[in-house]
Amino acid sequence: AQSVAQPEDQVNVAEGNPLTVKCTYSVSGNPYLFWYVQYPNRGLQFLLKYITGDNLVKGSYGFEAEFNKSQTSFHLKKPSALVSDSALYFCAVRDSYTGRRALTFGSGTRLQVQP
Amino acid sequence: GAVVSQHPSRVICKSGTSVKIECRSLDFQATTMFWYRQFPKQSLMLMATSNEGSKATYEQGVEKDKFLINHASLTLSTLTVTSAHPEDSSFYICSAFISGGPSDTQYFGPGTRLTVL
Repeated sequence: AQSVAQPEDQVNVAEGNPLTVKCTYSVSGNPYLFWYVQYPNRGLQFLLKYITGDNLVKGSYGFEAEFNKSQTSFHLKKPSALVSDSALYFCAVRDSYTGRRALTFGSGTRLQVQP
Repeated sequence: GAVVSQHPSRVICKSGTSVKIECRSLDFQATTMFWYRQFPKQSLMLMATSNEGSKATYEQGVEKDKFLINHASLTLSTLTVTSAHPEDSSFYICSAFISGGPSDTQYFGPGTRLTVL
């Protein structure tokens, strides 16, 4: 079975500082990894994905994530946080081995960027 | 980019009534759509996989007779909550893959907030 862990319920950073939102995963085969962002009462917006290739993936709004196979992690990062980045962030995984196309989501991490 | 819409965005109904939620892919065709449910301050839980022209596949613990799914065309899937009860109050979100495109990215609708009184 596939699973995703987001160990932090909330991350607080000051505007302009770098941010990291942590994610670890567990799958049987090769992982397809995703980050989505959710604003209040809204659906999920796609940020970035890792399927294969370079371990460092760049996505929307200046976000990036690094795939680390040995640590089974896919942490989301941004060099300089904005107040407008404050939202709920979800990490998700899909197992390429099973062929199951549905995503398994982590519990979410609320990012709060203080001005 | 790929756009998925949901209608209505918000619905309030009385206990015992049925509510239909529509999920549409606006600029692409989707043979597969997914329905998720999100409780307050919690993650998304997959309810079912909606397949165009065939029966939906439900996750364990999801009552198929209560949550009716119909995927009648390549751009529309509907979720009907039958005989709704207050515990069905939740945020329902659909997603879709682009048919024939890279099958690795799901595009999500804006969600429907259901409140059952």
